[in-house]
Amino acid sequence: KQEVTQIPAALSVPEGENLVLNCSFTDSAIYNLQWFRQDPGKGLTSLLLIQSSQREQTSGRLNASLDKSSGRSTLYIAASQPGDSATYLCAVIRSGGGADGLTFGKGTHLIIQP
Amino acid sequence: ETGVTQSPTHLIKTRGQQVTLRCSSQSGHNTVSWYQQALGQGPQFIFQYYREEENGRGNFPPRFSGLQFPNYSSELNVNALELDDSALYLCASSFGIPYSYEQYFGPGTRLTVT
Repeated sequence: KQEVTQIPAALSVPEGENLVLNCSFTDSAIYNLQWFRQDPGKGLTSLLLIQSSQREQTSGRLNASLDKSSGRSTLYIAASQPGDSATYLCAVIRSGGGADGLTFGKGTHLIIQP
Repeated sequence: ETGVTQSPTHLIKTRGQQVTLRCSSQSGHNTVSWYQQALGQGPQFIFQYYREEENGRGNFPPRFSGLQFPNYSSELNVNALELDDSALYLCASSFGIPYSYEQYFGPGTRLTVT
């Protein structure tokens, strides 16, 4: 059974810092990995999707990498801003047409201090 | 382009009652998935519909059931509500072969069971 772990569970940093969020998964047979942002009590906003054949994706100040063989992904946020404060979730989907849906980690709760 | 919408936003029910939650897919999407998110946890996959048929199911009992309509909108029905069913219910849509494409989430329905 696929398990996704996110470290750290919570992070508080001053504005302007670069930071890295970590995600690990136990089964490397994934089709893709997706990073999401969730504001309190709200739905999920997709940030980046990495196909299993890709190594990284970039969008603005965000960069996500994927090392499928080691079961790891990182989300790098450059020049953090208070508006980046949210919970960040990573999720994977199994390859081979398995009917499992997305498997999520519990998220990293990020606070950017002004 | 209209995003994923869900109704109602909030709902309060009594244990033992039945509830129906609704989701409208993003324009052009033909796959809908439902997730349950308990407080402080990552979302858990309930089931997925592709072209009006259930295509996959997570570890949820049969009292969780669903429908997808020809216009690709969807319903989640929960019978015999239990206190543990209190959660944020999220709907996600995507296009094409299930699991191949990026999933887009709605704002969620907050269900409270008393």
